[in-house]
Amino acid sequence: GEDVEQSLFLSVREGDSSVINCTYTDSSSTYLYWYKQEPGAGLQLLTYIFSNMDMKQDQRLTVLLNKKDKHLSLRIADTQTGDSAIYFCAESGGNEKLTFGTGTRLTIIP
Amino acid sequence: SAVISQKPSRDICQRGTSLTIQCQVDSQVTMMFWYRQQPGQSLTLIATANQGSEATYESGFVIDKFPISRPNLTFSTLTVSNMSPEDSSIYLCSVRRAQGSNEQFFGPGTRLTVL
Repeated sequence: GEDVEQSLFLSVREGDSSVINCTYTDSSSTYLYWYKQEPGAGLQLLTYIFSNMDMKQDQRLTVLLNKKDKHLSLRIADTQTGDSAIYFCAESGGNEKLTFGTGTRLTIIP
Repeated sequence: SAVISQKPSRDICQRGTSLTIQCQVDSQVTMMFWYRQQPGQSLTLIATANQGSEATYESGFVIDKFPISRPNLTFSTLTVSNMSPEDSSIYLCSVRRAQGSNEQFFGPGTRLTVL
């Protein structure tokens, strides 16, 4: 079946950029997503990208997609303490079901 | 986006009992899903809740353990039956406004602890 992988932890100094990486195996993925989960909360949809795009920017967030390598990244510019959370990558194929990665816990160092 | 509420937000239950979780959406949506997030884990799709018909379950999940209702386009329930400590998880309701819609939204989750 489909598999989505992420590194478990990332620590970044406040004000620096954070880059969270994700790899997936499903070559038929149509959309790829980034969700944010703060402690004790549900998932917040941050952004998503269509598989025929290679970049999408939305304010401090930049998504890069390398479809050939099946690699997705989320860059957060000027990382702030409020960005501390778990970030989940997810992909959907033609059946509209989301397959989630393991999540990356982002810690901000003051 | 869609505003999704879940009840209860959390519960502590005894082994062998059942709990019904409610999901309410602020507007009609075509697709509703139930996910489970075990402690420290990612999300796993339990089933797609179909309006007016039986839910579609993913591999490893069965109707007897996780009965689902969806009486209309804004409401669904998930029951966790005959609970054991292994059922301790966060259960999340999720929606897409329409089939083919790219955006999928999640409720706040129900944190279940089974003793």
